[in-house]
Amino acid sequence: NAGVTQTPKFRVLKTGQSMTLLCAQDMNHEYMYWYRQDPGMGLRLIHYSVGEGTTAKGEVPDGYNVSRLKKQNFLLGLESAAPSQTSVYFCASSYSMTGDRHQPQHFGDGTRLSIL
Amino acid sequence: GDSVTQMEGPVTLSEEAFLTINCTYTATGYPSLFWYVQYPGEGLQLLLKATKADDKGSNKGFEATYRKETTSFHLEKGSVQVSDSAVYFCALSGGAGGTSYGKLTFGQGTILTVHP
Repeated sequence: NAGVTQTPKFRVLKTGQSMTLLCAQDMNHEYMYWYRQDPGMGLRLIHYSVGEGTTAKGEVPDGYNVSRLKKQNFLLGLESAAPSQTSVYFCASSYSMTGDRHQPQHFGDGTRLSIL
Repeated sequence: GDSVTQMEGPVTLSEEAFLTINCTYTATGYPSLFWYVQYPGEGLQLLLKATKADDKGSNKGFEATYRKETTSFHLEKGSVQVSDSAVYFCALSGGAGGTSYGKLTFGQGTILTVHP
């Protein structure tokens, strides 16, 4: 019953460093998403993917890149970390849209990232 | 674009009190509406959903009715417990028409604290 697993759970970076956040899901979901959560702003969509090998920009994509080489994994990369990217990052996944096109999303426990 | 507005928090209640968290939305088309709950240190979990006007979603004693005429989806519970202390997010999907790929637009979240 792993569901959506995010690694790492915590990380501290210096400005300019790079890192990759990993998201893995074992529910055979087609869709995957990366959000960031900041105080008083809810969750905002960074990038999403509707299937293996596809990615698309969300609401706040600048400074991030993503890749979906395998259906079960969705990677979020920061090429040159900035203090403004200090946040809690959540990955989510869901079934693709069918007759009931609004499928609920399943979330990981988050990655707390601090950029100094 | 789509947007979701929740009542400002935090909300502090005594055990067994009645809870209402207001949520209103702006969207074109016919969105689905969701309430997610986030317990401390965890990711978001789907609490309830409604996919069309006048639908009532319910789970764990919580209820919300999709009111298209007032563009609202207020969350209610008749008697809260200490274990209900969490952050509650209202969200919508599919409001912009066309293919939204399940993307969620979140409200800013409402912190609920219940005291014994």
